[in-house]
Amino acid sequence: EAQVTQNPRYLITVTGKKLTVTCSQNMNHEYMSWYRQDPGLGLRQIYYSMNVEVTDKGDVPEGYKVSRKEKRNFPLILESPSPNQTSLYFCASSLRVRTGDSYEQYFGPGTRLTVT
Amino acid sequence: RKEVEQDPGPFNVPEGATVAFNCTYSNSASQSFFWYRQDCRKEPKLLMSVYSSGNEDGRFTAQLNRASQYISLLIRDSKLSDSATYLCVVNRDNYGQNFVFGPGTRLSVLP
Repeated sequence: EAQVTQNPRYLITVTGKKLTVTCSQNMNHEYMSWYRQDPGLGLRQIYYSMNVEVTDKGDVPEGYKVSRKEKRNFPLILESPSPNQTSLYFCASSLRVRTGDSYEQYFGPGTRLTVT
Repeated sequence: RKEVEQDPGPFNVPEGATVAFNCTYSNSASQSFFWYRQDCRKEPKLLMSVYSSGNEDGRFTAQLNRASQYISLLIRDSKLSDSATYLCVVNRDNYGQNFVFGPGTRLSVLP
């Protein structure tokens, strides 16, 4: 089954304790992204990657790191989490659709992170 | 001003109604446009891409007006299962993956 998986789905942690949220896709997609979703603010892009070893900042990259060492995986790293990073996080992967130059994104189920 | 703005909602409509969602974007260099739906804090799912010529998929019709930087979504004959939040999404860069999401408009279809 084609899918994007994220782990963990739920995480409660304390300020300053490094954590990693994993993301994996089995669709051989080149493009992957991380988003956070907050009430009233919608989804905001944190980082994205166009291919292995190619990453770019999105709109809210501060406090996050990513790496893309393999095509299928795109982990999100919080080196020193703070309470303002409490949010719902989504990973997504994209295939370039041939017609119309449009990209359909497939999203993972989300990771709900609470930093106390 | 947000880069992508949508009707604030929520929209509460009876089954069978026609409902229209509006979206405007401020970045004139934006290249690709989409409507996604999101059910109650689940992952967003693509509803349809939006093309310059307009496109239709069953009860759903999307329109794009590049000159006015305006996108619309029309849902005809609303079903209970259409209840969700509808997200307008714009890709700033046709060679990358630099997406901006609107805040979403929530739709409740009532029996």
